Amino acid sequence: AQTVTQSQPEMSVQEAETVTLSCTYDTSESDYYLFWYKQPPSRQMILVIRQEAYKQQNATENRFSVNFQKAAKSFSLKISDSQLGDAAMYFCAYRSVAAGDAGGTSYGKLTFGQGTILTVHP
Amino acid sequence: KAGVTQTPRYLIKTRGQQVTLSCSPISGHRSVSWYQQTPGQGLQFLFEYFSETQRNKGNFPGRFSGRQFSNSRSEMNVSTLELGDSALYLCASRDTPYTEAFFGQGTRLTVV
Repeated sequence: AQTVTQSQPEMSVQEAETVTLSCTYDTSESDYYLFWYKQPPSRQMILVIRQEAYKQQNATENRFSVNFQKAAKSFSLKISDSQLGDAAMYFCAYRSVAAGDAGGTSYGKLTFGQGTILTVHP
Repeated sequence: KAGVTQTPRYLIKTRGQQVTLSCSPISGHRSVSWYQQTPGQGLQFLFEYFSETQRNKGNFPGRFSGRQFSNSRSEMNVSTLELGDSALYLCASRDTPYTEAFFGQGTRLTVV
């Protein structure tokens, strides 16, 4: 079974500064997807960024980028030029590459870390 | 395009009762999955449906069940509610199990 660990329960950053959220995972699979989701007070989970394990290049989405270290099973999220609207709970998540039909595959199941609460100070 | 819609948003039930939560996926999406979020256990996978068939199930007791209709809308049912079932229940939809999941705003269930 896969596990995802976020070791930072809380982080804080000054507006316009950069912050990095950590995530490690454990899996025996060679191909998979990794995600960072944001959950603001509205509770709706919003996809921030995704990374396919077979891609060596780190994913980037505007101010959000990841540092994907496959051998170390590490997947950190860097938020540059932090904004007040970035304040939220951030979850790291793992998903297997679905291997077709059911019967033992994890299909589309997401395995989440415990989350990191990010506070942005003005 | 409308997003994932979960109803009701809030629910208060008494221990021992049963409850049904509803999830309407994004139009065209055929895969719906459910998650339970609690402060103690975090986000845990309940089950996933695709084309009206349960494809995967998490480690929850049989009191938790679900189904998916031909229009892809899904319901989950919890029978004989316990205090520990108090949680935010999140639904996510995707057009196939291989693509990005879009989440609803959740149903906050409180069991008293």
